[in-house]
Amino acid sequence: GDSVTQMEGPVTLSEEAFLTINCTYTATGYPSLFWYVQYPGEGLQLLLKATKADDKGSNKGFEATYRKETTSFHLEKGSVQVSDSAVYFCALGSYKLIFGSGTRLLVRP
Amino acid sequence: DSGVTQTPKHLITATGQRVTLRCSPRSGDLSVYWYQQSLDQGLQFLIQYYNGEERAKGNILERFSAQQFPDLHSELNLSSLELGDSALYFCASSVVETRSAYNEQFFGPGTRLTVL
Repeated sequence: GDSVTQMEGPVTLSEEAFLTINCTYTATGYPSLFWYVQYPGEGLQLLLKATKADDKGSNKGFEATYRKETTSFHLEKGSVQVSDSAVYFCALGSYKLIFGSGTRLLVRP
Repeated sequence: DSGVTQTPKHLITATGQRVTLRCSPRSGDLSVYWYQQSLDQGLQFLIQYYNGEERAKGNILERFSAQQFPDLHSELNLSSLELGDSALYFCASSVVETRSAYNEQFFGPGTRLTVL
């Protein structure tokens, strides 16, 4: 069945460092891909999305490109802030969302 | 604020009991989804309703059931509760129907269930 694999966390970075969180997927068909973020004590918020191969989703300085050839959707940000500390979930979906296990990001001042 | 509301925010109950979680979708959204987030299982899809009808089922236990009412709010009923049912339960909503290739879901803040 469809599945999503994310890199294990936690990821600890200093402010202004470059961020990559790896995400690979297995799916039949052509699902949409998403990154959701969960701040402490809050629900999930959609961060960005891509609906077809080679699409790049972007929001708040975060980017991810839908790579069909490598079945990947890695999340990147050029310069992280302390306020980016959260848990990030990669997900794929055609109707239900299938989530990865989440990657906790901790950004230190 | 996603526009999806869930009540209650916290729920503490005992094993064997039954609880009901409530969700109101965003205005205009016809699909409601329920997810369970637990430490050992991660985020798992439970069930989806579209305009009052069940459309998709995931890893939902037989002790759990859900429904969507004519005003589109949804309730998730959990019965014969066990310690392992302690988790964060999220509701999400979207405009589209099931099996759409583009399914942007908006999540509520969740209900934290603790079974003692």
